[in-house]
Amino acid sequence: AQSVAQPEDQVNVAEGNPLTVKCTYSVSGNPYLFWYVQYPNRGLQFLLKYITGDNLVKGSYGFEAEFNKSQTSFHLKKPSALVSDSALYFCAVRGPTGTASKLTFGTGTRLQVTL
Amino acid sequence: SAVISQKPSRDICQRGTSLTIQCQVDSQVTMMFWYRQQPGQSLTLIATANQGSEATYESGFVIDKFPISRPNLTFSTLTVSNMSPEDSSIYLCSVVGTRAANEQFFGPGTRLTVL
Repeated sequence: AQSVAQPEDQVNVAEGNPLTVKCTYSVSGNPYLFWYVQYPNRGLQFLLKYITGDNLVKGSYGFEAEFNKSQTSFHLKKPSALVSDSALYFCAVRGPTGTASKLTFGTGTRLQVTL
Repeated sequence: SAVISQKPSRDICQRGTSLTIQCQVDSQVTMMFWYRQQPGQSLTLIATANQGSEATYESGFVIDKFPISRPNLTFSTLTVSNMSPEDSSIYLCSVVGTRAANEQFFGPGTRLTVL
């Protein structure tokens, strides 16, 4: 069975500093990896995905994520955090095509960016 | 990306009653899903809504409790039956895009409170 771990319930960072939100995964075969963001009282917004190719994936709002196959990780990063980045972030994994398009989500990490 | 709307956006219901949530997509999609997000929790897949046939339910979810309809490729409903306070959650409709089959989009969610 596939699974996702987000080891940090909350990450606190000062505005202007770099941020990292950690994610590790477990899946049979090559993974399809995703990051979503959820703002208060709103649905999930797609940030970025890794399917194949370059290990560094760039997404919306200046976010990027690095796929590391040996460490089975897909950490979300941003060089300079903004207060408006404060939200709940979910990492998700899907197995290779043919295993049904079921996304498995991590438990979420709350990012708090302060002035 | 697909634009997904849900009705109602929120509701407060009495124990023992039922609520039907509607999901409308602005384009035809192959796959539609229903998720539940309990307070402070991650997203859990309830079922895959299949067009013209019975939904496929995940472990722990049954048709009698969460009947689903999908009469066409742009619309689905989820009913939460015989509600109890434990059903208080956000219910999200989700679709896989036809142009970007590896991207999954989410509706704004329906916030349900059961008293």
